[in-house]
Amino acid sequence: NAGVTQTPKFQVLKTGQSMTLQCAQDMNHEYMSWYRQDPGMGLRLIHYSVGAGITDQGEVPNGYNVSRSTTEDFPLRLLSAAPSQTSVYFCASSEPGAERGTQYFGPGTRLTVL
Amino acid sequence: AQSVTQLDSQVPVFEEAPVELRCNYSSSVSVYLFWYVQYPNQGLQLLLKYLSGSTLVKGINGFEAEFNKSQTSFHLRKPSVHISDTAEYFCAVSRAQGAQKLVFGQGTRLTINP
Repeated sequence: NAGVTQTPKFQVLKTGQSMTLQCAQDMNHEYMSWYRQDPGMGLRLIHYSVGAGITDQGEVPNGYNVSRSTTEDFPLRLLSAAPSQTSVYFCASSEPGAERGTQYFGPGTRLTVL
Repeated sequence: AQSVTQLDSQVPVFEEAPVELRCNYSSSVSVYLFWYVQYPNQGLQLLLKYLSGSTLVKGINGFEAEFNKSQTSFHLRKPSVHISDTAEYFCAVSRAQGAQKLVFGQGTRLTINP
């Protein structure tokens, strides 16, 4: 199992550009989520999904869109990048049932918006 | 809503000394509690978790944590640290029922000095 994979690892954007951060998992997890990590603020939830076709907003959703057409993939879209979106982005997935809450994280995408 | 406070942003410790990283949470409902570790330039890895049962939880790499419901705390401890324990540690909470959204603390940077 590859676990949770994210691409790209690094990205530099100009203000106003759009892009999609890719996230995939091969563990057949129903729950997937996106977090951003900023110094001194821990990780904050952007969007999450409890299954294919179902998404919902987290703590900091503004400026980001998500969709979940398959169990495996959960892309995060930045529609018009802003310098405030400079951050490290982590995708995570987790199992249902007794192991719920054990989230498996990808390696992250470091995004810089100029 | 849940919230997590990690009381120390940085903790310097000498090698082979004991360490305690403090975490307090706030919630009006039953919660699950987690400690994650992030090594430099990597994603997050689960150290340990409390779902129910014994309040003393043992995790990987010799770490343990104790759930104290009356003090709403979940402090992380290790009796003897190694250089390889240098990392950032995150405490997190999720509701025991419903969506598996994690709320993270701000993180504690543990630095082990020789």
